[in-house]
Amino acid sequence: DTAVSQTPKYLVTQMGNDKSIKCEQNLGHDTMYWYKQDSKKFLKIMFSYNNKELIINETVPNRFSPKSPDKAHLNLHINSLELGDSAVYFCASSQGYKGPNEQFFGPGTRLTVL
Amino acid sequence: AQSVTQLGSHVSVSEGALVLLRCNYSSSVPPYLFWYVQYPNQGLQLLLKYTTGATLVKGINGFEAEFKKSETSFHLTKPSAHMSDAAEYFCAVIKGGSEKLVFGKGTKLTVNP
Repeated sequence: DTAVSQTPKYLVTQMGNDKSIKCEQNLGHDTMYWYKQDSKKFLKIMFSYNNKELIINETVPNRFSPKSPDKAHLNLHINSLELGDSAVYFCASSQGYKGPNEQFFGPGTRLTVL
Repeated sequence: AQSVTQLGSHVSVSEGALVLLRCNYSSSVPPYLFWYVQYPNQGLQLLLKYTTGATLVKGINGFEAEFKKSETSFHLTKPSAHMSDAAEYFCAVIKGGSEKLVFGKGTKLTVNP
């Protein structure tokens, strides 16, 4: 009964390829997030969706495109992958998006671009 | 802009010793404050959070943190470290009314037998 799940867990690919990471939550939350954790463990938000509407869009290259088909899913598609995209990507969800709402994190997807 | 500073990227303690992980925030208004833990190769898990009210907050696994407005601090403590506490710890802040959780750079806790 995994709360927030991501697939795949590991992703190794060549520069220039296009790849997707999928995220699903079964907590009934209305808000979902994508975070990027770099090699120094620094975590930064990339995107957030509330009820399928984009509410946070940080300064991220437009090669990154999130898609939320429904409240329970938030996928991340990355075009023309670059070496600098190598990182761990975390999906998270919460109920509501303002204030002290606990965010529940998925296990992460480790992306390695060769 | 708000930010979070975690003093010490690495902290090493002996098993049974006090754990103290430091976090300072900068915000023009009192923010909401969080501590998350990340075990190796896992996602983040909430340890505790401060919203309003009592400034001493108790969390899971015996951790607690005290909000000190005068010092703009939210340090995390545990009286007696256990080997299973070895992990990366992140302090984070949300300014009231904001949507964004801003993380500190993390502190890696090592527990020595």
